[in-house]
Amino acid sequence: DQQVKQNSPSLSVQEGRISILNCDYTNSMFDYFLWYKKYPAEGPTFLISISSIKDKNEDGRFTVFLNKSAKHLSLHIVPSQPGDSAVYFCAARFFMNYGGSQGNLIFGKGTKLSVKP
Amino acid sequence: DAGVTQSPTHLIKTRGQHVTLRCSPISGHKSVSWYQQVLGQGPQFIFQYYEKEERGRGNFPDRFSARQFPNYSSELNVNALLLGDSALYLCASSLAQRNQPQHFGDGTRLSIL
Repeated sequence: DQQVKQNSPSLSVQEGRISILNCDYTNSMFDYFLWYKKYPAEGPTFLISISSIKDKNEDGRFTVFLNKSAKHLSLHIVPSQPGDSAVYFCAARFFMNYGGSQGNLIFGKGTKLSVKP
Repeated sequence: DAGVTQSPTHLIKTRGQHVTLRCSPISGHKSVSWYQQVLGQGPQFIFQYYEKEERGRGNFPDRFSARQFPNYSSELNVNALLLGDSALYLCASSLAQRNQPQHFGDGTRLSIL
């Protein structure tokens, strides 16, 4: 049973417009959420994260929104650029206060974003 | 600063063989995790190590094992390889504090013939 779901396998957006990637989760114990970007033949690159005590976090063109009551988070990219074309993974974790262990990440299946010039 | 480095980048093995994958974390990171990614899926957690001790294990058979060394580098070992073990194996390192992201290497692409 998937605890983190990205229901859109792909998304196509025009350059300069907003990209909105969505993610749903089922486990209310998750307290930290992350977005990663992955290009082919590279490992996932950390983009932005949000703690469960917040509902918004911004970093430049990237903003993550968290709606705990709906168990939903989204990543907004404004403005979108062709270089943003990649697979985006949503991930979640619950903190395990066990001698420094953070707990493992649970990933969605990813959404492939294509930004057209 | 060097990121997470993994070796080798590609590996081809046959069924029944054994493989060792290596990972060097970002300097100062004491926590190392291993993930398996198959095509069309997100990375799946295999192991987490902190201060040379196993802190977490995912739903993988006992053919998978790992260890962490005093310099915080890590090895992932897989015995009796099966065709289904073909995947991208990712290593991630992080600081131990709460709400710190894991940073990934570029992975080892393992192909089983």
